[in-house]
Amino acid sequence: ETGVTQSPTHLIKTRGQQVTLRCSSQSGHNTVSWYQQALGQGPQFIFQYYREEENGRGNFPPRFSGLQFPNYSSELNVNALELDDSALYLCATSGRTNTGELFFGEGSRLTVL
Amino acid sequence: KNEVEQSPQNLTAQEGEFITINCSYSVGISALHWLQQHPGGGIVSLFMLSSGKKKHGRLIATINIQEKHSSLHITASHPRDSAVYICAVPMDSNYQLIWGAGTKLIIKP
Repeated sequence: ETGVTQSPTHLIKTRGQQVTLRCSSQSGHNTVSWYQQALGQGPQFIFQYYREEENGRGNFPPRFSGLQFPNYSSELNVNALELDDSALYLCATSGRTNTGELFFGEGSRLTVL
Repeated sequence: KNEVEQSPQNLTAQEGEFITINCSYSVGISALHWLQQHPGGGIVSLFMLSSGKKKHGRLIATINIQEKHSSLHITASHPRDSAVYICAVPMDSNYQLIWGAGTKLIIKP
């Protein structure tokens, strides 16, 4: 039990639609990172939020956006879905940037048809 | 050349065997994570290392910062240890993780 909950666990969308994925974590985990893991590949860093501000971004287009809320929950939004967006989306939280143990959610598996 | 390289890519062993998974990296700040991913996707953080050695139950992780190399060992392996083991290195102060490709471990009873 990592204390990190992601929802939904599975969802199916069609091309062009928009999706919101959610991540909630333990109190005090003020850093959250989102990763995309395509089937058979390692996770790719999307972005990180620290104290409600974006604190780093990987090589993903602007249609991938995020939010972090004062209660430490977070959202990943993807607009104009493409087939290649089909993947497992993972959030990872920690108490401080740059150090400390990471806590992962079970992931949200998105299928785009 | 990948920035984080793991070996072997696949490993099948008998229950009870001593397992070693290696990770070499060419980038990143001086710390490394070992993570475990089971089928279905959930990832569990096993260790974060910045020097020396850490032990948790049957798992031991070592790191040599100068040589940028780390190893994960499993003693008295068990079928429930079957999973993908991944090493990941923080790229910079933003803590973007660079991930290895993972080692798929299968322990046969």
